[in-house]
Amino acid sequence: EGQMVQSGTEMKKPGESLKISCKVSGFTFKNNWIAWVRQTPGKGLQWVGSIYPGDSDIRYSPSFQGHVSISADMSTTTAYLEWSSLEASDTAMYYCSRLVTGTTYYFDPWGQGTLVTVSS
Amino acid sequence: QSALTQPASVSGSPGQSITISCSGTNNDIGAYPYVSWYQQHPGRAPKVLISDVSRRRSGVSARFSGARSGETASLTISGLQAEDEADYYCASYSGNSTPLFGGGTHLTV
Repeated sequence: EGQMVQSGTEMKKPGESLKISCKVSGFTFKNNWIAWVRQTPGKGLQWVGSIYPGDSDIRYSPSFQGHVSISADMSTTTAYLEWSSLEASDTAMYYCSRLVTGTTYYFDPWGQGTLVTVSS
Repeated sequence: QSALTQPASVSGSPGQSITISCSGTNNDIGAYPYVSWYQQHPGRAPKVLISDVSRRRSGVSARFSGARSGETASLTISGLQAEDEADYYCASYSGNSTPLFGGGTHLTV
C-alpha cells in the first residue's frame, strides 16, 4: 500500500522561506501523482497541488498558484512543497498523499502531516 | 471552485445509522463517478473509506457505504460505534486534473 513520511514541525517568521518534504516508499514513485493538501481549522481540507515525478507534470490549485512550488527528486523518492516568502495565513497542517488516478480518483495513503506555524 | 457542501455536524446513538450528505454541482459530483470519503480522527491523518462513489477500500468495515444521486453524494454509517466518532470529508474530481474537498462533518456518537 505504501508509506509516506513527512518532515517535522516548522516554526517560521513572515517573509522567511521554507521547504517541507515527503519521503515515499512501497509504491513506484515516478508513476504516481503525489499531492499536497492543506488543513486549517476554518477551511477543512484544501488541495494545494500535485506532481507526477515521472515527467515532472505539476498542477496547482488556483488558490495556491504562484505562492508555493512543488517539486520531486526521483533519486530519493521525495516530494517537496516550498514557499519563498511565508505569510501568517500559511499557518496550517500540510499533508502529502498519493493521488490514485486512471479509472479511479482518490487519495491514499497519506503522510502523517507537517505542522507549519508562521508568526512574528 | 467552491468546496463541496457538507453539514458541519451530525450525531447518532450507538447502533443507529446516520447519513452524511455532500452537495456539489454538475461540474464535479454530477459529472464524474469519482467521489471519495475520508475519516479523520483527532491528531491523525485522513484515511480513505470509499472511492468511486461506493467502492469500499481494503479493510474498511461493511458498515460504511457510499451512494450518489445527481449532484449529491452520501456516506451512510450503520450500526454506529463509539470509534466512528470522527471528522468525515468527501472529495470529488472536478475536471482539469482538479480535486475538490468538502468542508467536513463532525460525527458525534
